[in-house]
Amino acid sequence: DSGVTQTPKHLITATGQRVTLRCSPRSGDLSVYWYQQSLDQGLQFLIQYYNGEERAKGNILERFSAQQFPDLHSELNLSSLELGDSALYFCASSVDLPGNTEAFFGQGTRLTVV
Amino acid sequence: SQQGEEDPQALSIQEGENATMNCSYKTSINNLQWYRQNSGRGLVHLILIRSNEREKHSGRLRVTLDTSKKSSSLLITASRAADTASYFCATGRSGTYKYIFGTGTRLKVLA
Repeated sequence: DSGVTQTPKHLITATGQRVTLRCSPRSGDLSVYWYQQSLDQGLQFLIQYYNGEERAKGNILERFSAQQFPDLHSELNLSSLELGDSALYFCASSVDLPGNTEAFFGQGTRLTVV
Repeated sequence: SQQGEEDPQALSIQEGENATMNCSYKTSINNLQWYRQNSGRGLVHLILIRSNEREKHSGRLRVTLDTSKKSSSLLITASRAADTASYFCATGRSGTYKYIFGTGTRLKVLA
């Protein structure tokens, strides 16, 4: 158990819908990261928050947004869903920034858009 | 974009053999990490090696880092069927806010 909790584990929804993925980082970790992994693909960086502030954006679509709350949990909102958004979405957390420490990953949310 | 490329993309070995996978990256780094992912599951952190380290061990894992060649290798000794998984390297760099992952090596250990 990495200490990073993601909910829900599985999500099936229809095209055009909106969903929210939730992440609770490890206790004491200030950085939260979101990654997307499509079938048989590598991990694509979406967005990162450090102590409540957005610090980096990657290949995140405009239909997607995220936030980190004062208690440091984070949510990833995906709207106007398309079939191609079906993927595993991972949250990770680290106590410090990437140059200094490792990240620990949650079990992921498997999103299926039908 | 992926910074790292892993080699080979897929590897199939017999139980008891050693497995070696390589990771190359493009920019200077402060650390490199290796992760394991069982099919469709989360990534499990295996080991971190810092840029001033050349080799690190953890159980049956041995990681080397050659910053002059911008490459790392992960050796799993005496492999077991349970080692069957995808293995990813990820780099961390000061002044950045993301880990950059390699494309992964799919390891299959045959019993």
